[in-house]
Formats: sequence, C-alpha cells, structure tokens
Amino acid sequence: QVQLVQSGAEVKKPGASVKVSCKASGYTFTSYSLHWVRQAPGQRLEWMGWISGIGETKYSQNFQGRVTFTSDRSASTVHMELSSLRSEDTAVYYCVRPVNYRDYIDYWGPGTLVTVSS
Amino acid sequence: EIVMTQSPATLSVSPGERATLSCRASQSVSSDLAWYQQKPGQAPRLLIYDASTRATGIPARFSGSGSGTEFTLTISGLQSEDFAVYYCQQYNNWPPLTFGGGTKVEIK
Repeated sequence: QVQLVQSGAEVKKPGASVKVSCKASGYTFTSYSLHWVRQAPGQRLEWMGWISGIGETKYSQNFQGRVTFTSDRSASTVHMELSSLRSEDTAVYYCVRPVNYRDYIDYWGPGTLVTVSS
Repeated sequence: EIVMTQSPATLSVSPGERATLSCRASQSVSSDLAWYQQKPGQAPRLLIYDASTRATGIPARFSGSGSGTEFTLTISGLQSEDFAVYYCQQYNNWPPLTFGGGTKVEIK
C-alpha cells in the first residue's frame, strides 16, 4: 500500500531554514510526482509546489525563491527546504501524492509541524 | 489563480440529519473538483473527486454535485464520525492547486 512517511516536528528561529523529508513506499517512485501542501493554524490548505518522480520542480509563486524541493531516487525520498523563516510559516507541512494527470490528492503524509518562534 | 469560496464557515447539524455544504469557484473549473474531510490532528482524506465520484471506501451517504462554478457536498444521515472540517479543491486550472477555506460541521 502507498505510504508517505514524513520527518518529525521542528522548531526554528526566524530567519533560519527548515528541511522536511518525505519517504514514499508502495509504488514506483519515479512514476508519480509528489506535492507539498501546508496548513497554518486556522488557515486554508496552501499548495507550495511539486517535484516529479525524475526531479523536475514547479514552485508556487508565493514561495518562489524561498523553497527548494530535492529528490533522492535511491531512497524514494523527497525533501522540502524553506528558508528565511518567519512566524507566518508556522504550519503543518504535508507531503501528498495526487493522481497522475488528474491532480486530486488520494494520498497524504501525516504532516510535519514546523514552528517558527524566537 | 482560481479562488475557492466555501459556505457556510460553520454548520450545526443534529446526528441523523442532512448537511449541505457549498463551494464556489471564481471561474469555471468544469467538474475538476474534489472534496476532503479533515478531523483534528489528522491529514485530510479524499471523499469525492470529479465533483461527484466517491473515492474508494467512502460511504454512500456522501454525495457531490455541481459543475462549472457551483458545487455541493451533501452528507445524508450524519453520523458521529462525520463531524469534521470539509474542504473543496479545484484541479482544473493550475498551478496553483487551490483549496476552499473549509466548512466545519459541528454537532447541534
């Protein structure tokens, strides 16, 4: 069965960077893109971008220049790094796998809480 | 960017009653609309895709309708496990994928 396992919660200071990982299993890693979606407290879900199974990336304009997705195909793992953190980046970050060519999300990781606080 | 607007923000319903949730898109998304359920401390779960198709394992009391800019999620005969927050998402015109602000279904 498809599983997305994310790294643990992080606490960071403003201005720092955070790197969250997502290990995928149960399917052919290179056949699907993985997306990142975040949810700040009391806010709607916000799409951050995607990384394809072969490492191509697309970022939301809202995060352009601050976010980087990388992929380790040998470990079936993707990473999301967000820099220049501010308090508004406090959120749960989800790794998700949408259905190919349809883009509704049938698999969600459990989420990683990132807290930005001085 | 397509803006998704959900109403109401909170819906108070008694167990066994019907809940009707609305989602509006700022421009047509055809039938490329999904609904998710989220319970506290959990990731969202896919309920409906293509506006009206139930995802695997979703009970028949959940139904979706609509196309273009107006969509509805109906939960017939609310059960205790259905009290949660519901989100809509469009996947017709992206990036970005966009979500509604959510409707919380609470016990009346």
